[in-house]
Amino acid sequence: QVQLRESGPGLVKPSETLSLTCAVSDYSISSGYYWGWIRQPPGKGLEWIGTLYHSGSTYYDPSLKSRVTVSVDTSKNQFSLKLTSVTAADTAVYYCARPMTATRHDAFDIWGQGTMVTVSS
Amino acid sequence: QSVLTQPPSVSAAPGQKVTISCSGSSSNIGNNYASWYQQLPGTAPKLLIYDDDNRPSGIPDRFSGSKSGTSATLGITGLQTGDEADYYCGTWDSSLSAVVFGGGTKLTVL
Repeated sequence: QVQLRESGPGLVKPSETLSLTCAVSDYSISSGYYWGWIRQPPGKGLEWIGTLYHSGSTYYDPSLKSRVTVSVDTSKNQFSLKLTSVTAADTAVYYCARPMTATRHDAFDIWGQGTMVTVSS
Repeated sequence: QSVLTQPPSVSAAPGQKVTISCSGSSSNIGNNYASWYQQLPGTAPKLLIYDDDNRPSGIPDRFSGSKSGTSATLGITGLQTGDEADYYCGTWDSSLSAVVFGGGTKLTVL
């Protein structure tokens, strides 16, 4: 059973860079699928951040594109999120997720447990 | 402001049926498959419906999905108190080249 687990600092200072990692178990990232990051601000809805294809291609939400980088480390079987110049508006639970179909960006059936990141000085 | 529009809340009595709508456009729901998620408090979302009207393994047939034009609908029959959750629709938007979600609907089982 494929499992995802997010990790990273729970507190980031304004203007700094948020960095999270998603470790993948029981499936090799290099074998396929799109791998995504989704966030949820407190009390609000889901927001897609971006997706990485196993080959390295990336797709980002237009509103975040200038600040986001999603990358893969196949040797560690994990993928990462970097969000620069963070503000309080970036405070959220961050999830990594995988779609149920290898050729699709959406319809996420496998999710990490989520990690709360607070932006505050 | 979400690309997909959902009602903020719906409610119904136990045992009854409820529907949740998700309105989009030709660049998203109109030409791409819709998905639905259930999010219980404090947990990650769970995929309920994919490809408009398909249920992943383990999802009860009380949950159903449909689509007409640029709108998708989630139906839940035989409501249970355990169905109280937030429900989100989602899809790919071909114009934005992005995954988009609705703002979410809070279901209350009275």
